[in-house]
Amino acid sequence: GAGVSQSPSNKVTEKGKDVELRCDPISGHTALYWYRQRLGQGLEFLIYFQGNSAPDKSGLPSDRFSAERTGESVSTLTIQRTQQEDSAVYLCASSLDASYNSPLHFGNGTRLTVT
Amino acid sequence: SQQGEEDPQALSIQEGENATMNCSYKTSINNLQWYRQNSGRGLVHLILIRSNEREKHSGRLRVTLDTSKKSSSLLITASRAADTASYFCATRETSGSRLTFGEGTQLTVNP
Repeated sequence: GAGVSQSPSNKVTEKGKDVELRCDPISGHTALYWYRQRLGQGLEFLIYFQGNSAPDKSGLPSDRFSAERTGESVSTLTIQRTQQEDSAVYLCASSLDASYNSPLHFGNGTRLTVT
Repeated sequence: SQQGEEDPQALSIQEGENATMNCSYKTSINNLQWYRQNSGRGLVHLILIRSNEREKHSGRLRVTLDTSKKSSSLLITASRAADTASYFCATRETSGSRLTFGEGTQLTVNP
């Protein structure tokens, strides 16, 4: 089926505004991850969902960041009162399950620019 | 902080040459994975090597893992211009489910 889909692909917002980023994982994938990638850098873990278990939120950088997932489908990452340092590409990935050997399948990301 | 560190940060070679990238990590792992990222795109999984494996092959890719040195290498043989991309190692720690990525190696293959 289709791969991981993220929307919007690009988002420009003014400092102080809230933004919501969406991720549609591959159908049947129970695990979902959000990462942040600043320009020219590696991936910074944000949050992880696995089925109905409590999410691992340990990577969220501040309380302005939150994420939700409806069952084993769509996830939204919300950034409140955006700051310029939030500018980055936000990548979503899903995997078949939480087993250690399940590879991640990534979307193309949402490029967020805070002006 | 990042678990994996890639070396070199950037590598430029001619088509047909081999490219070797290295990754070091800090904690005990279940497996180590390599991913590729083309500019402006998401990451694509290349290969996974388990902690009890020492070497793995997939097409023109060869991955080694030395758990005593906490290091891995990715070799791309007979490189092509289309191999130009950033390559990231990622580790799955024994203590958790998150996959932690390094800073990546930017590979440029000149035609």
